Amino acid sequence: DAGVTQSPTHLIKTRGQQVTLRCSPISGHKSVSWYQQVLGQGPQFIFQYYEKEERGRGNFPDRFSARQFPNYSSELNVNALLLGDSALYLCASSFNPSGGNTIYFGEGSWLTVV
Amino acid sequence: DQQVKQNSPSLSVQEGRISILNCDYTNSMFDYFLWYKKYPAEGPTFLISISSIKDKNEDGRFTVFLNKSAKHLSLHIVPSQPGDSAVYFCAAPHYGGSQGNLIFGKGTKLSVKP
Repeated sequence: DAGVTQSPTHLIKTRGQQVTLRCSPISGHKSVSWYQQVLGQGPQFIFQYYEKEERGRGNFPDRFSARQFPNYSSELNVNALLLGDSALYLCASSFNPSGGNTIYFGEGSWLTVV
Repeated sequence: DQQVKQNSPSLSVQEGRISILNCDYTNSMFDYFLWYKKYPAEGPTFLISISSIKDKNEDGRFTVFLNKSAKHLSLHIVPSQPGDSAVYFCAAPHYGGSQGNLIFGKGTKLSVKP
């Protein structure tokens, strides 16, 4: 079975541009979370979606938005990119929001803002 | 305000010896803790967890100890193997939130030398 898949794996954007990152959860998983991992830090929670509804939001500016589709895949959008948005963006999926030890992460999307 | 702290950025041990990774937390309301392992270019993978109603949980070579009075937990790996070389993250679900919303420490890079 396929794990959590993310695309693109690497991308370079210019300051001020917009980016969309995509995530396909494990089949049967209805909850998707997004994390940002800056070099030297642990992953930081951005959003969680379950059954297409936002279940949680971390301390990120409104430039960050996300949505979940009927097939439970998800997109993370970041507008007006700043240099500080350069990071690894991780998507995680679980069957339901309470799955602590059943949260599976994708390999991430490396975003570089120049 | 870091609620989950891993104060040792790196640890080096000899193959066959014990590795002890430490984690401290500040929020006494945390009731569940997880350890993740991360190899370069891969997403974090779940390793082991512990509920606050226990003080120890063991899974093969991995044991997690929880000291609630000290707000401290540790991960023991015995015996350590070169394949254990990775970054280890301690995490706790955000209090009042779902377990898709995890608070991570900064991680400890473990190097196991043959």
